[in-house]
Amino acid sequence: DVKVTQSSRYLVKRTGEKVFLECVQDMDHENMFWYRQDPGLGLRLIYFSYDVKMKEKGDIPEGYSVSREKKERFSLILESASTNQTSMYLCASSQDSSYNSPLHFGNGTRLTVT
Amino acid sequence: AQSVTQPDIHITVSEGASLELRCNYSYGATPYLFWYVQSPGQGLQLLLKYFSGDTLVQGIKGFEAEFKRSQSSFNLRKPSVHWSDAAEYFCAVHLTGATNKLIFGTGTLLAVQP
Repeated sequence: DVKVTQSSRYLVKRTGEKVFLECVQDMDHENMFWYRQDPGLGLRLIYFSYDVKMKEKGDIPEGYSVSREKKERFSLILESASTNQTSMYLCASSQDSSYNSPLHFGNGTRLTVT
Repeated sequence: AQSVTQPDIHITVSEGASLELRCNYSYGATPYLFWYVQSPGQGLQLLLKYFSGDTLVQGIKGFEAEFKRSQSSFNLRKPSVHWSDAAEYFCAVHLTGATNKLIFGTGTLLAVQP
């Protein structure tokens, strides 16, 4: 089974801090994604990566950046955390870019910015 | 613009009763459609998918969904709900030509009464 592991289940950070959310997948998947989940808004794509060192903006990239130095690891970075970034963050991976390649999700990181 | 609508934010059913969760999509090309489930404290898990062919698709956990092109719908059904089905359910459409990008609906939270 594919395993997508997010390093932290809960995080509490202060406004202005630099925050790193880490995600690791163990199935040599090409694609990795970061989503943000908020009540009533569903999942919104922040960034995705289809190869090492490659990244593309999703629908809500403002205030975020990403890093993919190794195929198995995809990091989401909040350069200067703000209270409106309090949310649940979900990492996902997929084998490739075809529609027949389902997303596999981690269990999420609930980030609170105070 | 492509979109996915789940008109029911919250649904409560009794254990053993039948269930139908609604999903409507707006997409010009042939849609590739998915249903995901998120149990409390977990990431999302793929329930089923529709690409082409038979418009009634079977998924895991006894769920099925029917694609109706004329109604732009992909409703999820289960004939007899179990208490363990309490979760949030997300409908999603894959954007063809994009890098495996999914557009998610806002989700339907299912509560199951004993």
